[in-house]
Amino acid sequence: DGGITQSPKYLFRKEGQNVTLSCEQNLNHDAMYWYRQDPGQGLRLIYYSQIVNDFQKGDIAEGYSVSREKKESFPLTVTSAQKNPTAFYLCASSIEGQGARNIQYFGAGTRLSVL
Amino acid sequence: SQQGEEDPQALSIQEGENATMNCSYKTSINNLQWYRQNSGRGLVHLILIRSNEREKHSGRLRVTLDTSKKSSSLLITASRAADTASYFCATRQIQGAQKLVFGQGTRLTINP
Repeated sequence: DGGITQSPKYLFRKEGQNVTLSCEQNLNHDAMYWYRQDPGQGLRLIYYSQIVNDFQKGDIAEGYSVSREKKESFPLTVTSAQKNPTAFYLCASSIEGQGARNIQYFGAGTRLSVL
Repeated sequence: SQQGEEDPQALSIQEGENATMNCSYKTSINNLQWYRQNSGRGLVHLILIRSNEREKHSGRLRVTLDTSKKSSSLLITASRAADTASYFCATRQIQGAQKLVFGQGTRLTINP
């Protein structure tokens, strides 16, 4: 089945610890995105990547880092510099290029909590 | 930066009634999309309307777009309990990178 897989579903972070959220897609999409969602709120863009080995900061990149070494994978690291990491994290992908409508396909999300 | 403002923030109706949600945005767009999110899950794309379109239908969904007012509405007809979810509008801007800007969402509850 084609889709986006996020893991783990739940993640707990200790004080001062970096944690990495996994996002894998087999849709052959060029573009991938990470969003943060706080309770009762909309989605805020953390980072996005339109092509392998390239990525751009979104609206709330501070305290986060990403890599895009493979087309299928776009892991997000929540660093210790992110002082309020408790949130629901969503990964998405879309077809890139001229004329692309940017319809995004989402994973099931990772819920991160601080111990 | 959040471009979309959705109204109302929450809506509760009886099964079988129609539900209308509104979205306003600030800058010129290429297209506007509506997504649905069930509690604790990812978003699912529902429908896309291009900037040169005024109305679009998909099953029980009807979307309108008024670019002069920078607003859109999503109508769900003959609502069902399974329609209970949060609904988000998202805009793809004309200029800048290919990314979407999401609204805050409308939380829809259908009472049986």
